[in-house]
Amino acid sequence: GAGVSQTPSNKVTEKGKYVELRCDPISGHTALYWYRQSLGQGPEFLIYFQGTGAADDSGLPNDRFFAVRPEGSVSTLKIQRTERGDSAVYLCASSLVVTDTQYFGPGTRLTVL
Amino acid sequence: KQEVTQIPAALSVPEGENLVLNCSFTDSAIYNLQWFRQDPGKGLTSLLLIQSSQREQTSGRLNASLDKSSGRSTLYIAASQPGDSATYLCAGAWMDSSYKLIFGSGTRLLVRP
Repeated sequence: GAGVSQTPSNKVTEKGKYVELRCDPISGHTALYWYRQSLGQGPEFLIYFQGTGAADDSGLPNDRFFAVRPEGSVSTLKIQRTERGDSAVYLCASSLVVTDTQYFGPGTRLTVL
Repeated sequence: KQEVTQIPAALSVPEGENLVLNCSFTDSAIYNLQWFRQDPGKGLTSLLLIQSSQREQTSGRLNASLDKSSGRSTLYIAASQPGDSATYLCAGAWMDSSYKLIFGSGTRLLVRP
């Protein structure tokens, strides 16, 4: 079946611009996670949704970052006033229930010039 | 605060060798531990998930173990092949951290023909 998909695969933007990153989880998965991975490091947690609600957003670095999952399926990560330090690969994962295996998408590589 | 560590950061072995990758974690109240493979420029592929009630899991040439009391997990790869070359990441989930995955920095494996 279809796995987790993320669009776009690559995004280049200028400092100060607004970006949206999209995640389509595996159908029927209730839990959805966003992580961020810098070069040579393991992914770091950003936010987790259970259904439509953000169950844990403790990993969001500041209020420029926001994520939604309005219908409990697709999620969008929104970054305002991008900074060069936001450059990273943004990974999305989903799981059937929160305690189950997390399946990852291919990621969106964000480059802020 | 839970932390996950992987040593060494890189490993090079000749084809056919059996090898062990190490993962350590700081909180023995771990709920589950997951091993992933990441190829360059790609997302994460789930290899094995071990629940806290289990001691090991096997899939093909891979065997993962979990020892909560010592805070260690190992991934054993039998009869390594050049196609096994990738970065291997372990990640732990804890109930008091919303089951979000906390990753190590990974071990970059090269299997030489």
